[in-house]
Amino acid sequence: EAQVTQNPRYLITVTGKKLTVTCSQNMNHEYMSWYRQDPGLGLRQIYYSMNVEVTDKGDVPEGYKVSRKEKRNFPLILESPSPNQTSLYFCASSPPYTGELFFGEGSRLTVL
Amino acid sequence: EDQVTQSPEALRLQEGESSSLNCSYTVSGLRGLFWYRQDPGKGPEFLFTLYSAGEEKEKERLKATLTKKESFLHITAPKPEDSATYLCAVQTYNNNDMRFGAGTRLTVKP
Repeated sequence: EAQVTQNPRYLITVTGKKLTVTCSQNMNHEYMSWYRQDPGLGLRQIYYSMNVEVTDKGDVPEGYKVSRKEKRNFPLILESPSPNQTSLYFCASSPPYTGELFFGEGSRLTVL
Repeated sequence: EDQVTQSPEALRLQEGESSSLNCSYTVSGLRGLFWYRQDPGKGPEFLFTLYSAGEEKEKERLKATLTKKESFLHITAPKPEDSATYLCAVQTYNNNDMRFGAGTRLTVKP
């Protein structure tokens, strides 16, 4: 089954404790991206990757890091989480330039 | 700056009561406009892509249309299972990111 898998789905952590949200897709898509979704603000792009070893900032990259060492994986790293990073995070992938994103189920992160 | 605005924020319909959702956009060099459906607790699910003014796409009770400044998602004779949040997004030739509107939360009562 074609899917985008994120882990963990739910996480409560404390300020400053480094965490990684993993994302993996099995569709051989070149394009992958991370979004955060907040009430009233909609989906905002954090980072995206056009291919392996190619990443770029989206609208809200501050406080986040990403890496793309393999085509299927695109982890999101929060080096020193802060409460304003409490949000619902989505990973997505797509074939190049189609805009037809396949989303994961989401990861709800709470930073205390 | 590219902007995408969806209206209304929320819409409540009776089953069978047709209506339209609006997505207005201000971008330079539109590559495509996309509609997604999002159910509670789930990731968005792709519905349509529109590339040029005048284009229309249909899927079951949904029809998406595009002009140079806005897109409409028409819902004909909706059913309770059409209840969801509908998201509009635009992609431009200037960059590779996708900019989303805040969404319209649709509730269809039986």
